[in-house]
Amino acid sequence: QQQVKQSPQSLIVQKGGISIINCAYENTAFDYFPWYQQFPGKGPALLIAIRPDVSEKKEGRFTISFNKSAKQFSLHIMDSQPGDSATYFCAASKFTSGSRLTFGEGTQLTVNP
Amino acid sequence: DTEVTQTPKHLVMGMTNKKSLKCEQHMGHRAMYWYKQKAKKPPELMFVYSYEKLSINESVPSRFSPECPNSSLLNLHLHALQPEDSALYLCASSQVGTHTDTQYFGPGTRLTVL
Repeated sequence: QQQVKQSPQSLIVQKGGISIINCAYENTAFDYFPWYQQFPGKGPALLIAIRPDVSEKKEGRFTISFNKSAKQFSLHIMDSQPGDSATYFCAASKFTSGSRLTFGEGTQLTVNP
Repeated sequence: DTEVTQTPKHLVMGMTNKKSLKCEQHMGHRAMYWYKQKAKKPPELMFVYSYEKLSINESVPSRFSPECPNSSLLNLHLHALQPEDSALYLCASSQVGTHTDTQYFGPGTRLTVL
């Protein structure tokens, strides 16, 4: 019930293309869904986050799409750049979990020039 | 300034050694965290301090001992570790408010246990 399933495990995209990473959850109590970006040798950094009261949130080239009925959410990176090459983790949390984030397994994105 | 600093960057220790990892933030955050991250895996929560008091211990073995001397500092004392404890240890901090508060991560300490 606490799992967040993330796919794909790895993704290769050409520069200028769209990168799409998907996550699915089971626990309907989750009400906050952040995405973290991690570069090699660095800690994760919050990229963008969404609450389930909206179906989409966009920040620059990054968009989260949220489907509450399907219990799925996804990250879209438009006009992908080589500098976007990193590992992306989706996560979920709920009010009663306090500070606990339930992370997906991660997606290693490579954007070829 | 949204920086969390961690020292050392790398640490190699034997199974009988005692060492400490240090974490510092000056963002005024009153929640601080230790995570363990294995290669190609997500971070795993170990400990959470809230207002300098331990609020969450995710059943971490006693060979890991956290300490929060003040609101800006967080230590992780290591003793009698096992080779399987080799990992990247991440520190993070956040406001103490709701579960939506952003956690800011440091770069981590890469620990190797021989």
